[in-house]
Amino acid sequence: DAGITQSPRHKVTETGTPVTLRCHQTENHRYMYWYRQDPGHGLRLIHYSYGVKDTDKGEVSDGYSVSRSKTEDFLLTLESATSSQTSVYFCAIRVHKTANSYEQYFGPGTRLTVT
Amino acid sequence: EDQVTQSPEALRLQEGESSSLNCSYTVSGLRGLFWYRQDPGKGPEFLFTLYSAGEEKEKERLKATLTKKESFLHITAPKPEDSATYLCAVQASESGAGSYQLTFGKGTKLSVIP
Repeated sequence: DAGITQSPRHKVTETGTPVTLRCHQTENHRYMYWYRQDPGHGLRLIHYSYGVKDTDKGEVSDGYSVSRSKTEDFLLTLESATSSQTSVYFCAIRVHKTANSYEQYFGPGTRLTVT
Repeated sequence: EDQVTQSPEALRLQEGESSSLNCSYTVSGLRGLFWYRQDPGKGPEFLFTLYSAGEEKEKERLKATLTKKESFLHITAPKPEDSATYLCAVQASESGAGSYQLTFGKGTKLSVIP
């Protein structure tokens, strides 16, 4: 357990509605990531953050926005949900073990269904 | 473009039957290769990071090795509780010091039959 929680854990929403997923960490790590996982695809990076108010796009960022106003929280927002955004969303943090080695730990995931 | 290919897609083993999972990669300079275990309905669980060819790491019945083109996850005398999907990911040198982005393979689903 890397001290990562995600909320909600499950959500069903309708097409066109906004949705916000929350990732919370307890250890003040600088880097946080949002991924999505779909059958037939590997985990794909949506957005990441390298500090408060510092974020950047990943491989599949279209239709998503993020915010990080506190070190411990990283929010993922779907401005207008579409059925193609039905997926399992994982948050991750990067933990440096030494100056040149690190590990990336994942949260428990949020299963989002857009109907 | 960075690519990670895992094989086989699925593997069924009898309890005690040792085998290996493969992760082949194409990246413009490898900064790190990661192995994860994922159980159904859960997030990936970190297993190992390998940084250079020739490096090996072990944890219980698992041993990860790395060459310049691929990595193997060897499972010795597996037990039913080793059943899971095993994911491989790479971080390329050109992903930028500011991101440490990982590119994942699609995983190998391992089933160990008692």
